[in-house]
Amino acid sequence: DSGVTQTPKHLITATGQRVTLRCSPRSGDLSVYWYQQSLDQGLQFLIQYYNGEERAKGNILERFSAQQFPDLHSELNLSSLELGDSALYFCASSVEGQRDLPDTQYFGPGTRLTVL
Amino acid sequence: AQKVTQAQTEISVVEKEDVTLDCVYETRDTTYYLFWYKQPPSGELVFLIRRNSFDEQNEISGRYSWNFQKSTSSFNFTITASQVVDSAVYFCALDSGGGADGLTFGKGTHLIIQP
Repeated sequence: DSGVTQTPKHLITATGQRVTLRCSPRSGDLSVYWYQQSLDQGLQFLIQYYNGEERAKGNILERFSAQQFPDLHSELNLSSLELGDSALYFCASSVEGQRDLPDTQYFGPGTRLTVL
Repeated sequence: AQKVTQAQTEISVVEKEDVTLDCVYETRDTTYYLFWYKQPPSGELVFLIRRNSFDEQNEISGRYSWNFQKSTSSFNFTITASQVVDSAVYFCALDSGGGADGLTFGKGTHLIIQP
């Protein structure tokens, strides 16, 4: 158990809908990262938050957004869902995640999103 | 641009055999970190090891060992005396943005250990 929690574990929804995935980092970790794992694209970095502020953006679609709250939990919002958004979404956390001093990222169990 | 290549898509061995998973990386940065993660059938990603670009010492942890060679940009992972529980997808990852750009993952190697 990494100490990172994600809810829900599974999510089934329809095209065009909007969903919210939730992540609680390990105790003491300030950075949260979101990744998408799909069969065709593999594991891709989406976005990073550090202590409530966005720090880095990867291959995140404009239909997707995220935020990190004062208690450091994070939410990933996916809207106007398409079939191709079906994937496993991981949250990871690390102590800081600064440019010159990377920390190990510990991953949550993931949320499996199925868009029908 | 960063890139991680795991050329072995799938490897199947019989239990107790030794197996090596290859990882080749590309980065222009002089400071970077390399990682291996394990994804068992249950789906979670489990951290195995982290190595920085200034430390080329090989590392051994029980049946696991890692060989980092900067000259060939490789960070290979060997499992000695493999066990069925080692069956999983193994990912090599690169971090050269100090964690501030996320990890760049390889496509993964699916390791099957047959009893």
